[in-house]
Amino acid sequence: SAVISQKPSRDICQRGTSLTIQCQVDSQVTMMFWYRQQPGQSLTLIATANQGSEATYESGFVIDKFPISRPNLTFSTLTVSNMSPEDSSIYLCSVVGERFDTEAFFGQGTRLTVV
Amino acid sequence: EDQVTQSPEALRLQEGESSSLNCSYTVSGLRGLFWYRQDPGKGPEFLFTLYSAGEEKEKERLKATLTKKESFLHITAPKPEDSATYLCAERSGGSNYKLTFGKGTLLTVNP
Repeated sequence: SAVISQKPSRDICQRGTSLTIQCQVDSQVTMMFWYRQQPGQSLTLIATANQGSEATYESGFVIDKFPISRPNLTFSTLTVSNMSPEDSSIYLCSVVGERFDTEAFFGQGTRLTVV
Repeated sequence: EDQVTQSPEALRLQEGESSSLNCSYTVSGLRGLFWYRQDPGKGPEFLFTLYSAGEEKEKERLKATLTKKESFLHITAPKPEDSATYLCAERSGGSNYKLTFGKGTLLTVNP
C-alpha cells in the first residue's frame, strides 16, 4: 500500500481566508482524490485530481471554492478558499494504484476549524 | 442516486461478545463493496473488498460477507482494540472511480 502524507494535520483559520492542504505519496499512483468528512456525515468525494489537467468535481463542489492542483503522479494540493465556519471539516487525500479495480488508500486527514 | 446505509449507528459490546454490522447498498452494477476501519483522528484504513454475492473474506476476528443488496461485517470475540468506526463504501459501474460511503458504525468494545 502507498504511504500518504498530508500537511497540515490540523489548522484553525479565520473566516474569509484560504488554506492549502498538501498530499504527498511515496510512489506514483494512477488516481488521486479529495474527500470531505463533516461531523456526523459520510465521507464525500469533492473531486478527482487529474495529473496535468483540471480536476473533475462532484456535484455541489466548484473549482472557485476548492481549487486543486496535481503537477505530477505523487503530489496534489487542495485549497479551501474564502472559508466560512461551514467549511470546518476533515479533508482527506486518497489514492488508487495502477490497477483500476483496487482499493483506495487514505491519508491521515487535515482537521480544519474556521472561526 | 447511489446510497449506502449502515446500521446500527453505534454498537456497544462486551469483550468476547460477537455481533455483526450491516451495510445496505442500492447501486446496480456493483464494482466493489469496501470496508474500512477509522480510528479517531486518523484516515480510514482499508480492510476488505468484496466483488460478488456469496463472497467472503476474513482477517483476524473480522469476516465480511456480501449478498446482492447487503454486506455484513461479522466480529467474532471482539477485543477492546477493535473499537473504532467501521465504514462501508460501494463503487458503482462506469469508467470513473468513485466511492460512495455510508455514515459508519461506531463500535465500542468494553473490557
